[in-house]
Amino acid sequence: NAGVMQNPRHLVRRRGQEARLRCSPMKGHSHVYWYRQLPEEGLKFMVYLQKENIIDESGMPKERFSAEFPKEGPSILRIQQVVRGDSAAYFCASSRQEGATDTQYFGPGTRLTVL
Amino acid sequence: KNQVEQSPQSLIILEGKNCTLQCNYTVSPFSNLRWYKQDTGRGPVSLTIMTFSENTKSNGRYTATLDADTKQSSLHITASQLSDSASYICVVFPLFSGGYNKLIFGAGTRLAVHP
Repeated sequence: NAGVMQNPRHLVRRRGQEARLRCSPMKGHSHVYWYRQLPEEGLKFMVYLQKENIIDESGMPKERFSAEFPKEGPSILRIQQVVRGDSAAYFCASSRQEGATDTQYFGPGTRLTVL
Repeated sequence: KNQVEQSPQSLIILEGKNCTLQCNYTVSPFSNLRWYKQDTGRGPVSLTIMTFSENTKSNGRYTATLDADTKQSSLHITASQLSDSASYICVVFPLFSGGYNKLIFGAGTRLAVHP
């Protein structure tokens, strides 16, 4: 009964490189959410996806950031041409249903460091 | 602008003592309010979820209260243990049309329990 899996746990990139963060939701969950947590700040919503669909990407920067949740395989958060300000912890969460009271289960996060 | 403010920012207590963490929010209308526990280097774990019509919810030694009139919530921890050392995050789910899960996170209270 594995929980939400994220990899890698730590990722170091130089400015201008690409970062790919992967998230495998809990078994039976078809709703995935990505959040970013800057040091000493609360988590901020980025994007909400269902299988093969982006439902809400209002929290994601319009440039350099993209997300997908293919029919098969994990959800991917992609950051192109990373800058130092992208350094943060990126958390993925999943839920069984879309709903006000449905619990989101979080993964352990990927800590991105941009040199 | 929607906001979730938590106090204190950090707290140190001795093992076995009780403590209360505060959350004030301006998000309105809202569907539910959640408390999460986040251990260092880990993802948040749900403790309680309360709808706007609930006043209190317990989970073991954790008891959350909600006053929708004053827009305040508190998390009370009884008989603290060393393992309670973590950040406690108050999260509000705004009432959007469409029901998308865009939680608004407070910055958290960092609790340290000392022997």
